[in-house]
Amino acid sequence: AQSVTQLDSHVSVSEGTPVLLRCNYSSSYSPSLFWYVQHPNKGLQLLLKYTSAATLVKGINGFEAEFKKSETSFHLTKPSAHMSDAAEYFCVSSLGTGRRALTFGSGTRLQVQP
Amino acid sequence: NAGVTQTPKFRVLKTGQSMTLLCAQDMNHEYMYWYRQDPGMGLRLIHYSVGEGTTAKGEVPDGYNVSRLKKQNFLLGLESAAPSQTSVYFCASSSGQPGGYEQYFGPGTRLTVT
Repeated sequence: AQSVTQLDSHVSVSEGTPVLLRCNYSSSYSPSLFWYVQHPNKGLQLLLKYTSAATLVKGINGFEAEFKKSETSFHLTKPSAHMSDAAEYFCVSSLGTGRRALTFGSGTRLQVQP
Repeated sequence: NAGVTQTPKFRVLKTGQSMTLLCAQDMNHEYMYWYRQDPGMGLRLIHYSVGEGTTAKGEVPDGYNVSRLKKQNFLLGLESAAPSQTSVYFCASSSGQPGGYEQYFGPGTRLTVT
């Protein structure tokens, strides 16, 4: 069985300051991991993905995430927050078996203060 | 390249009415999915398909039917709508190949059943 835990339900930062959204995964073996973003009343957009090729993954809009197997973590970071980054972020995993199901974290709502 | 599209974007139904939601993808993906998203409950998988002509039940299939007559299309039907089916519905697709387990989501359909 696999699970994904997002450690913060809400994160608030000031514009121009760093962003850190935390995610831990639990799996019997290494899953594929993703971060998705959902802006209000929009669909989910893939930010980045980890599939064992490199532990530091760069995504769109300046986001990146580092896979740390020893800590079973996949935290999302961005050096400088922008107002347009305000959204809900989901950490997601997939074992790639059967129906290729995704396991979603509960989400982190990012607020960016001016 | 439009990705994943959904029609309609909004719909209001009366209890007992029927409707069909259409999902189309132009990425030649084998796997397609229907989810519903409700406040506090995240995304829940309704039905999915691993290829043209195949469908299978997800976590919350009751009250819904699906069909995948063409590879690029995945239809979700509500035969007799109930207020409990008020939700936002998302379609997604995936290649399902190693290194490509991520799913690409459509913009969503907001359905209200009165």
